[in-house]
Amino acid sequence: GPKVLQIPSHQIIDMGQMVTLNCDPVSNHLYFYWYKQILGQQMEFLVNFYNGKVMEKSKLFKDQFSVERPDGSYFTLKIQPTALEDSAVYFCASQGTGNERLFFGHGTKLSVL
Amino acid sequence: GDSVTQTEGPVTVSESESLIINCTYSATSIAYPNLFWYVRYPGEGLQLLLKVITAGQKGSSRGFEATYNKETTSFHLQKASVQESDSAVYYCALAPSNTNTGKLTFGDGTVLTVKP
Repeated sequence: GPKVLQIPSHQIIDMGQMVTLNCDPVSNHLYFYWYKQILGQQMEFLVNFYNGKVMEKSKLFKDQFSVERPDGSYFTLKIQPTALEDSAVYFCASQGTGNERLFFGHGTKLSVL
Repeated sequence: GDSVTQTEGPVTVSESESLIINCTYSATSIAYPNLFWYVRYPGEGLQLLLKVITAGQKGSSRGFEATYNKETTSFHLQKASVQESDSAVYYCALAPSNTNTGKLTFGDGTVLTVKP
């Protein structure tokens, strides 16, 4: 079936550095999402993105976060600068239309040291 | 805000036994949210198991069922006879509307192990 690919699966970075998490969504999907799951906690909505714009973001989506999908390529989550509390697994998801099922990637585990 | 509470795992059952994973929700953003069960099988990404968008309706998939009960604000997942291949992590979730079903509020997840 359709797959969402996330690259890399694990990223280790020093606090204060910039990191970009990449997501290759399902072809022809229009809606894109990032979710964050801290170890032992619930998966939480960060942001959704449609037609080149952020549609909605949660309080977890700090000013240091940004998303984009330049030229229909990867959907990216950039954190600049990173903080220790950014350590988590980040899940990307894509959706064809606003009421279809989400397809999730396997997640990128981000470790900020 | 919205919240979802589900059976705390891990849950272990033997093959062919019945299963119920409880889920209750609290939705402050909308009176009747859309309700979902997602599942993560070992080595795979999170995927939709079933969804129900109308109170009183039942959803079913792969032998699992869940009924949207607005009186008790519950959406329990049931299966009459589990198989070893059902071993996975199950997540109950809600979305605020039928036109924004991607903004999900998840429960903690319930790890299910089915013994042969």
